[in-house]
Amino acid sequence: KQEVTQIPAALSVPEGENLVLNCSFTDSAIYNLQWFRQDPGKGLTSLLLIQSSQREQTSGRLNASLDKSSGRSTLYIAASQPGDSATYLCASTGGGSQGNLIFGKGTKLSVKP
Amino acid sequence: NAGVTQTPKFQVLKTGQSMTLQCAQDMNHEYMSWYRQDPGMGLRLIHYSVGAGITDQGEVPNGYNVSRSTTEDFPLRLLSAAPSQTSVYFCASSTTGVPRTYFGPGTRLTVT
Repeated sequence: KQEVTQIPAALSVPEGENLVLNCSFTDSAIYNLQWFRQDPGKGLTSLLLIQSSQREQTSGRLNASLDKSSGRSTLYIAASQPGDSATYLCASTGGGSQGNLIFGKGTKLSVKP
Repeated sequence: NAGVTQTPKFQVLKTGQSMTLQCAQDMNHEYMSWYRQDPGMGLRLIHYSVGAGITDQGEVPNGYNVSRSTTEDFPLRLLSAAPSQTSVYFCASSTTGVPRTYFGPGTRLTVT
C-alpha cells in the first residue's frame, strides 16, 4: 500500500529565502504526483502535476521534481513571500484508479515579513 | 466555469440522523471522489467514481453511500451519523487526459 510522507511538518522562514519541501513515497509505480496548497479553512488548490514520464514541472517561482527510483519529490519555492504561507500537501496516485490520491500530512509553511 | 461546488458549507447533525452532502462539477470530468480530512490523519479517500453509473469504495467507506447518475453530480450520503464522522469533507474531480485534481471548498460537519 502506498504511503506518502512529508518532512518537515512545519517550517518558518524569513521573507526572500529560497526553500525546499520534501515528499517521499513507498511505491514507485505511480501515474503522477501532485503538489497542493491549502489555506486555513479552504479547499485544496493544485499547484503542479508531474506525470510519471516527467522529471520536473515549473510554474512561476515554484519548481517540483520527481525521482521515482528513489521515491522522492521536492517542491522548491524561490524568493518566498508572506503570501506563500499555507500548508503544502503532496499526493501520489493510489490504488483502484489513477484518479485516487494518497496524501502526505503536509508541511505548514510560515513566511515572516 | 464554477469548478467544483459543494453544499452545505457547514452542518451540525445529531447522532443517528442522515443527510446528503452535495457535490457538482461543470468541467465534464469523468472522475469524481470524496475525501475526509481529520487532524493528524490527513486526507483519506471515502468513495470514488470513474464515470456515470460506476462507483467504488476508497480507504474509509463505512457509514457512507454514493451514487453517480450524471457526469456532473456525485452526492455523499451519511446513513446514520456518528460522532466519528465529524470531519471536513472535500469533493474532487479530474479528467484522464491531464489528471490535475480540482477540489471543492469543503463541508465542515459536526455530529453531536
